[in-house]
Amino acid sequence: EAQVTQNPRYLITVTGKKLTVTCSQNMNHEYMSWYRQDPGLGLRQIYYSMNVEVTDKGDVPEGYKVSRKEKRNFPLILESPSPNQTSLYFCASSLSWIRTGWAYEQYFGPGTRLTVT
Amino acid sequence: GQQVMQIPQYQHVQEGEDFTTYCNSSTTLSNIQWYKQRPGGHPVFLIQLVKSGEVKKQKRLTFQFGEAKKNSSLHITATQTTDVGTYFCAGPGSGYSTLTFGKGTMLLVSP
Repeated sequence: EAQVTQNPRYLITVTGKKLTVTCSQNMNHEYMSWYRQDPGLGLRQIYYSMNVEVTDKGDVPEGYKVSRKEKRNFPLILESPSPNQTSLYFCASSLSWIRTGWAYEQYFGPGTRLTVT
Repeated sequence: GQQVMQIPQYQHVQEGEDFTTYCNSSTTLSNIQWYKQRPGGHPVFLIQLVKSGEVKKQKRLTFQFGEAKKNSSLHITATQTTDVGTYFCAGPGSGYSTLTFGKGTMLLVSP
């Protein structure tokens, strides 16, 4: 089954304790990205990757790191989490990167609910 | 950066009533996508509009892209309880290959 998986689905942690949220897709997609969803703010893009070893910032990258060493995986790293990073996080992938005049359908993972105390 | 404004933020309708959500941008959009997120779920792609004045239909859902490609709408005819969820529009962001989502319209349908 074609899907995007994320782990963990739920995480409660403390301020400053490094954590990684994994994301994996089995559709051979080139483009992957991370979003955070907060009430009243909708979905905001954190980082994206157009292909292996190619990553770039989205609208809200501060406090986050990513890496794309393999095509299928795109982990999100919070080196020193803070309470304002408490949110619902979604990983998404699409066939290719967004081109001028065209964007590919984004496939979203099930989400990771993160609480930082 | 690029912003896509979506209204209303919330709408509560009786089953059978129609529903419309609007998406507006201050700049011309090369394309616009629509997603639906059920309560507790993840966003799911509905459709993409690319051409000026484009209208697409999916059963009871009608999607429109404005002539100036600065606005779009999603209209649901005769809502059903299965339509409950949040509807998002998304357009190209200010970055090279970014996607910007509207804040969404939450639809609640009472039987």
